[in-house]
Amino acid sequence: DAGITQSPRHKVTETGTPVTLRCHQTENHRYMYWYRQDPGHGLRLIHYSYGVKDTDKGEVSDGYSVSRSKTEDFLLTLESATSSQTSVYFCAISESGVRASTEAFFGQGTRLTVV
Amino acid sequence: DAKTTQPNSMESNEEEPVHLPCNHSTISGTDYIHWYRQLPSQGPEYVIHGLTSNVNNRMASLAIAEDRKSSTLILHRATLRDAAVYYCISPGSQGNLIFGKGTKLSVKP
Repeated sequence: DAGITQSPRHKVTETGTPVTLRCHQTENHRYMYWYRQDPGHGLRLIHYSYGVKDTDKGEVSDGYSVSRSKTEDFLLTLESATSSQTSVYFCAISESGVRASTEAFFGQGTRLTVV
Repeated sequence: DAKTTQPNSMESNEEEPVHLPCNHSTISGTDYIHWYRQLPSQGPEYVIHGLTSNVNNRMASLAIAEDRKSSTLILHRATLRDAAVYYCISPGSQGNLIFGKGTKLSVKP
């Protein structure tokens, strides 16, 4: 199994509080992604990174920020959590980006509940 | 970004072959077709991908139509552990995987 770890695995937080989710990889892959999965929507891209300090927005980036100061860590921050951000969050990694025909590896997910 | 279309659900009997179809008529000529699956309470996992010719690996086979507008994922002998949601995916313009709702495969003993 690819070395990808998400933390925490579960979190309950209150509306308006900041939350940071961590994705850690041991594969030295260049690309890292954050997705959210909600019933009826499948997985949707929030932000992605194509290198250290190189990030870009995805389809549903409003209310989220990311940082990547090291190859192995990609952090997703909810500056002020809202109930609409209750979801399951998945991190993924890819060596060369999926357009280069490489596969992506996904973490086990973080279930976030905002009350 | 190319859109893919799959049936919402399919059923199979254990140890029988399963053919999961996907339409991707707008996929570009240079983009690979990817298949992932998601078991309950887990993250998606890679199954197979291909460009033009048919592909085989230890998990499955991928048959791609000559015009590349459709493909079929073939599980040669379904097991109970193959019950999952199967996603047919084309890469997005940002180099990400664009997930649809996938096909929920049920396997009956």
